Amino acid sequence: ELKVEQNPLFLSMQEGKNYTIYCNYSTTSDRLYWYRQDPGKSLESLFVLLSNGAVKQEGRLMASLDTKARLSTLHITAAVHDLSATYFCAVDMNRDDKIIFGKGTRLHILP
Amino acid sequence: DAGVTQSPTHLIKTRGQQVTLRCSPISGHKSVSWYQQVLGQGPQFIFQYYEKEERGRGNFPDRFSARQFPNYSSELNVNALLLGDSALYLCASSSIGTGSRGYTFGSGTRLTVV
Repeated sequence: ELKVEQNPLFLSMQEGKNYTIYCNYSTTSDRLYWYRQDPGKSLESLFVLLSNGAVKQEGRLMASLDTKARLSTLHITAAVHDLSATYFCAVDMNRDDKIIFGKGTRLHILP
Repeated sequence: DAGVTQSPTHLIKTRGQQVTLRCSPISGHKSVSWYQQVLGQGPQFIFQYYEKEERGRGNFPDRFSARQFPNYSSELNVNALLLGDSALYLCASSSIGTGSRGYTFGSGTRLTVV
């Protein structure tokens, strides 16, 4: 059974700092998603990573995928308060089938 | 273009009652998935439907059922509600086989069982 682990689960950081969230998964998959969730809200799609070595960037967020290591990272550059949210990674078990979520990383950025 | 729409947005039910949640996917999307998100946890997969056929089922009891209609909208039914069924229920639609757009989630239905 596919397991998806994120770490850290909680992160408090100062504005202007850089940090990385890690997402490890247990079985072969070549499709990984990153979502953002604000309190009481639904999931907002951030990135879809489709192949080994994929790197995508949007603003201060950059995501990468290493399928051989079964690892994805979400890097935050020069954090700002508006990035405070919970970030989830999710992995496809089989293409076009269900996706399995990690427990999420609750990010709190202090002004 | 409308996104994924879910109704109702909030619902309060009593233990033992039954509930039906509704989802309309993005136009052109034929796949609908349902997820349950308990407070403080990641979403858990319940069902996936594609072209009105069940394609996947998560580890949920038989009290949970779903169906997809010819217009690709979907309903999730939960019978004999328990307090532990209180959660945010999310519907996601996807365009299977047509690319890399991933899954788009609706705003969810927040179910409270008292």
